[in-house]
Amino acid sequence: DAKTTQPNSMESNEEEPVHLPCNHSTISGTDYIHWYRQLPSQGPEYVIHGLTSNVNNRMASLAIAEDRKSSTLILHRATLRDAAVYYCILPVADSNYQLIWGAGTKLIIKP
Amino acid sequence: EAGVVQSPRYKIIEKKQPVAFWCNPISGHNTLYWYRQNLGQGPELLIRYENEEAVDDSQLPKDRFSAERLKGVDSTLKIQPAELGDSAVYLCASSPWTGHSYEQYFGPGTRLTVT
Repeated sequence: DAKTTQPNSMESNEEEPVHLPCNHSTISGTDYIHWYRQLPSQGPEYVIHGLTSNVNNRMASLAIAEDRKSSTLILHRATLRDAAVYYCILPVADSNYQLIWGAGTKLIIKP
Repeated sequence: EAGVVQSPRYKIIEKKQPVAFWCNPISGHNTLYWYRQNLGQGPELLIRYENEEAVDDSQLPKDRFSAERLKGVDSTLKIQPAELGDSAVYLCASSPWTGHSYEQYFGPGTRLTVT
């Protein structure tokens, strides 16, 4: 099954953009890339997902490399409320619902 | 719109005791998931329901864990008897069936401590 690699933690300043990287070198052609985040003491929260093209929504942007072996979640203007663990996730092979969760990246926002 | 509701939020029990967790998904969501999350790790899927049918329970330790989703709405996850290693956060999630849009909505979880 495809897996992802993310840095354990990252720090950023408040009101600055944040780029969270993710490597998924064994991704298959039909795997969607999913991002969730988990604030302290809460359940995970969906952020964004994409297949090939860059994607934007009200929370973030997802930039996907042309070869799809990596992607970057972009928070355009981080606030203290964005401090969370961010998970980059791929599905189990031939599954459209079962996601393989790693340990994620802990994002620390400095005021 | 109300989110996924779980209860209790916290539970402390002694080993070998039974415990049950309850989940009420978002109205209209046909798919319901139970996950277990250990400290510092991502969630692990235990079971998935489509309406009232458990369509994937391959990760559920069936010797001590059971689950049900009566009438395809609320769900209960039970552990009997609990072991020390069962201490974790148990998360419930739901999603509408929207083809390849796999967005899952999570509840706040139940933190179980087995002593």
